[in-house]
Amino acid sequence: KNQVEQSPQSLIILEGKNCTLQCNYTVSPFSNLRWYKQDTGRGPVSLTIMTFSENTKSNGRYTATLDADTKQSSLHITASQLSDSASYICVVSATRDSNYQLIWGAGTKLIIKP
Amino acid sequence: DAGVIQSPRHEVTEMGQEVTLRCKPISGHDYLFWYRQTMMRGLELLIYFNNNVPIDDSGMPEDRFSAKMPNASFSTLKIQPSEPRDSAVYFCASSARTSGNEQFFGPGTRLTVL
Repeated sequence: KNQVEQSPQSLIILEGKNCTLQCNYTVSPFSNLRWYKQDTGRGPVSLTIMTFSENTKSNGRYTATLDADTKQSSLHITASQLSDSASYICVVSATRDSNYQLIWGAGTKLIIKP
Repeated sequence: DAGVIQSPRHEVTEMGQEVTLRCKPISGHDYLFWYRQTMMRGLELLIYFNNNVPIDDSGMPEDRFSAKMPNASFSTLKIQPSEPRDSAVYFCASSARTSGNEQFFGPGTRLTVL
């Protein structure tokens, strides 16, 4: 069964600190993995996409990693800011023929405290 | 482009009433998705369309829910009759195969069924 599991469920850190969010998946056939950020009251917005051949990708203070062998991904946030408070959702895409299936994780709720 | 447009933004109705949610996807996108989000269950895919054709409606909770996409620029999600447990935020998203399946979300419709 295709599944995406994220940890921790929630996290509170002080402004300026770093943090790492985890995503484990069992999805086949794997197409790509995205991290979305969802601010309260808004729809999710894509932060980064990882394909099978990519190990690391950065988007400003966000760095995503992918280990296709262990089927794990992480999202590292450097020097956190108050605006980073949001839910971070890992989504894995499985593609078959012309259609695809997206498997969404439950998300990690991140709270940055001043 | 204005992004994905949803209406209404908020809807309050009484149990048993019909509710219609509307979505205008980003021009040129060939996929359209309807999601429901609650605190308890997170983000759930209800149905998605490819080139106006419903591809996967396995997430539609029951026959009270129906979705249509009469053309490339408009989709509706209808609940009839509505029940209190349908209270949630409903998101519409669109994507293009050529952009790595990144989904662009609308602002959501917050539905409250009394």
